[in-house]
Amino acid sequence: EAGVAQSPRYKIIEKRQSVAFWCNPISGHATLYWYQQILGQGPKLLIQFQNNGVVDDSQLPKDRFSAERLKGVDSTLKIQPAKLEDSAVYLCASSLRDYTTRNYGYTFGSGTRLTVV
Amino acid sequence: AQKITQTQPGMFVQEKEAVTLDCTYDTSDQSYGLFWYKQPSSGEMIFLIYQGSYDEQNATEGRYSLNFQKARKSANLVISASQLGDSAMYFCAMRGPNAGGTSYGKLTFGQGTILTVHP
Repeated sequence: EAGVAQSPRYKIIEKRQSVAFWCNPISGHATLYWYQQILGQGPKLLIQFQNNGVVDDSQLPKDRFSAERLKGVDSTLKIQPAKLEDSAVYLCASSLRDYTTRNYGYTFGSGTRLTVV
Repeated sequence: AQKITQTQPGMFVQEKEAVTLDCTYDTSDQSYGLFWYKQPSSGEMIFLIYQGSYDEQNATEGRYSLNFQKARKSANLVISASQLGDSAMYFCAMRGPNAGGTSYGKLTFGQGTILTVHP
């Protein structure tokens, strides 16, 4: 089974520039999550999609962050304009409620490491 | 709201010794799940072990075991026979209420514990 794909792997931008991250979840996983992980902290949920609808975006800074999931598959997370404090790893994950799988249905991508200078 | 607390910012252990990483949680849900993940410096989130709130037995996965004390709301990870490759950040996480259909809710993570294994 292919994993959750994310790109790019690394990105360096200047503050006030814009950036976009892409995620392709595991086939058949209806739920997709974007997490922000600041260095030395645990991941924090930014947004959760169920198919192409938003379930939870309560911690998404909507003045600068946006996300979409077209056709309930791939997703894009955008930051515009970026601030220094946006420097973090952005993790995408997808899930399917399946108690038979070893990881209980959650799978994470390798993340995109964003540095804002 | 769900909350995960990991009070040990860093832990050190000698190779081949056992180590316990602490995790306490807070939730008003009756049904929940607790996870432990390992995150090496490369950044990927590696699943280690899962404990469901209704599971009567403590979960075990190879060298990993979960010491689940429901009344105390703790879910400590025990790593036996530590190896140098166990050096990494470790996260405790809780599964939120299901989002409906075939999907799980979000994971809420603790702050993590950095484990260093000495030769």
